[in-house]
Formats: sequence, structure tokens, C-alpha cells
Amino acid sequence: GAVVSQHPSWVICKSGTSVKIECRSLDFQATTMFWYRQFPKQSLMLMATSNEGSKATYEQGVEKDKFLINHASLTLSTLTVTSAHPEDSSFYICSARWLGYTFGSGTRLTVV
Amino acid sequence: GDSVTQMEGPVTLSEEAFLTINCTYTATGYPSLFWYVQYPGEGLQLLLKATKADDKGSNKGFEATYRKETTSFHLEKGSVQVSDSAVYFCALREETSGSRLTFGEGTQLTVNP
Repeated sequence: GAVVSQHPSWVICKSGTSVKIECRSLDFQATTMFWYRQFPKQSLMLMATSNEGSKATYEQGVEKDKFLINHASLTLSTLTVTSAHPEDSSFYICSARWLGYTFGSGTRLTVV
Repeated sequence: GDSVTQMEGPVTLSEEAFLTINCTYTATGYPSLFWYVQYPGEGLQLLLKATKADDKGSNKGFEATYRKETTSFHLEKGSVQVSDSAVYFCALREETSGSRLTFGEGTQLTVNP
């Protein structure tokens, strides 16, 4: 079946640095990728929707300059958290639209 | 806007116990409803779905019925196994919102032998 590989599974970074999270569709072409953020004991919150070759559509309240999304190819989408701060610590999950939704395994980001 | 509310966890059961995880929703139209499961270290996987009122989704012994009158989609299983230990998410998709999913908070289930 369809698989989305998400890396890294966890990362610790210092405040002020940037972190890149990658999601690759391994056996299908993902024209649409969704990026979610999950706080402890809370639901997955949609951050943005990206379509291959075009700019991402961000949800209200999500800073597009802070959470840079690139979807340059049909098999790769990246989320870069720029100038990370401790409040950006969270669980980030990607999901590709392909005969349904296929999810990555998530990235636990801790900013210290 | 759309929202999904799940029963608070964590839920701990003994093997072969009956499971119910409550899910209620708020939507302006006629959403499709889903249950996703996330096993440790893995991505979310679709467990079952229902697209219209009174539909029953079922998979791997789990069932959920789309109840429009109570705006609910409760997940049930008659006899849980240790391997069912995971986090369960209820979700909806409104036709008017395109492809986006709205998730509940997730419920952690632990089944002890």
C-alpha cells in the first residue's frame, strides 16, 4: 500500500536554529500534502496544505514565514521551522492525499 | 466551524473486554466520518469510515455507526486484544472543505493481558 516516510522521527534543537522535516511518498505521487501539528492530549491541527509546484495554503493563525513548506516534487514535501523557539516544540505529522489519506509517522520536535 | 470531540483517555482494559470510545461532532453540512488508529512509532492508519447517516463502518472487529440524530460516531469492539493498544482518532471531512480532515483529540487505549 501507499507509504509516506517522514524524517526525522525526533529532533532536539537550540532556540534560534532552523529544523527541516521531510515527507516522502515512496510508491505513489503525492500531488497534495497536508501538514499537521499536535500538542499533548490535543487533536491534530491542520497547519497548511501544499500542492506540488505551487505555494502552500496556510491555515489562519499559522505564520507562513516561520513554517516554510516546500513541495517541489511529487514525492517530496518539506516543512522548515525557522528560528525555532520552545513554544514550537510539538509533534508534526504530514499526510498525503492518495485514494484516501496516508500519514507519516510524525516528528517530535523539542526546542531547548 | 467543524469540530470533533472524543472521550478523554487514557482507557485501560483487560483482554477480551468490551470497548467503547465516544465521538461526537459538529458540522454545518453532511460530513464523512472516520476512525484512524496510530500504533506506536507508526503513522495514522484508516480503521473504518462512514459517508452518510446510518452507515456502519467496520474493520478488524471494530464498528462505528453514523448517527445523524445524535451527531455521533462511537467506536466499539466486542473483545479487545493486547494488539489493539494504540491511539484512536475520530475525524470528519466536510464536502465543502475539500480534502481537509478535522480530528478529535485522540484516545489512548491500553489493553492488558
